[in-house]
Amino acid sequence: SFDLTQPPSVSVSPGQTARISCSGDKLGERYISWYQQKPGLSPELVIYKDSERPSGIPERFSGSNSGNTASLTISGAQAMDEADYYCQAWDDSPSWVFGGGTKLTVL
Amino acid sequence: QVQLVQSGAEVKNPGSSVKVSCKASGGTFGSTGISWVRQAPGQGLEWMGVITPFFGTTNYAQQFQGRVSITADESTSISYMEMSSLRFEDTAVYYCARDRGAIDGFDIWGQGTVVTVSS
Repeated sequence: SFDLTQPPSVSVSPGQTARISCSGDKLGERYISWYQQKPGLSPELVIYKDSERPSGIPERFSGSNSGNTASLTISGAQAMDEADYYCQAWDDSPSWVFGGGTKLTVL
Repeated sequence: QVQLVQSGAEVKNPGSSVKVSCKASGGTFGSTGISWVRQAPGQGLEWMGVITPFFGTTNYAQQFQGRVSITADESTSISYMEMSSLRFEDTAVYYCARDRGAIDGFDIWGQGTVVTVSS
């Protein structure tokens, strides 16, 4: 299987743009999903198919994937966006792989 | 709208087994899969395995093969995850999630089941 690497933490001020990276070998050849998890709650899908937003997810969430890096971008981050974020991809072994998670702080 | 409702918290002794259920409320499994994911205290998400009830297929993460069994009953829309030979380090929150496949990810998650392994 392969590994997905995320920064442990990202910090932004309210209203700024937060970018969370997810790197892995030839990641651009796979589809990436992103999950948001707030303390004590189940994860929630915020991006699938690299850049698609499920119904109900605000437009400020966007995603991209190319080369060896996928990114989750939160434009105009708000206090409510403070959470842990995980990237995910399917490996042909076959298995799902999650990144280690990134704690986003908005302050 | 389908919801996944999991069984309640469990406390188990080391060496015993645990069986967690996940019921699709308000719908059926359809042709999607049900994946199981665990999260140890303060740690990240760890995929355990997936079952596709419609096709009767399962896949397990290598580290859980032989110790975890995932089953599903289509008639009741319930999936089960059974783990044997429990260790202290199996203490975690266990989630089920609707698995839409390699492109669409996990769009619905259960509320989680806390499993505590303690003597």
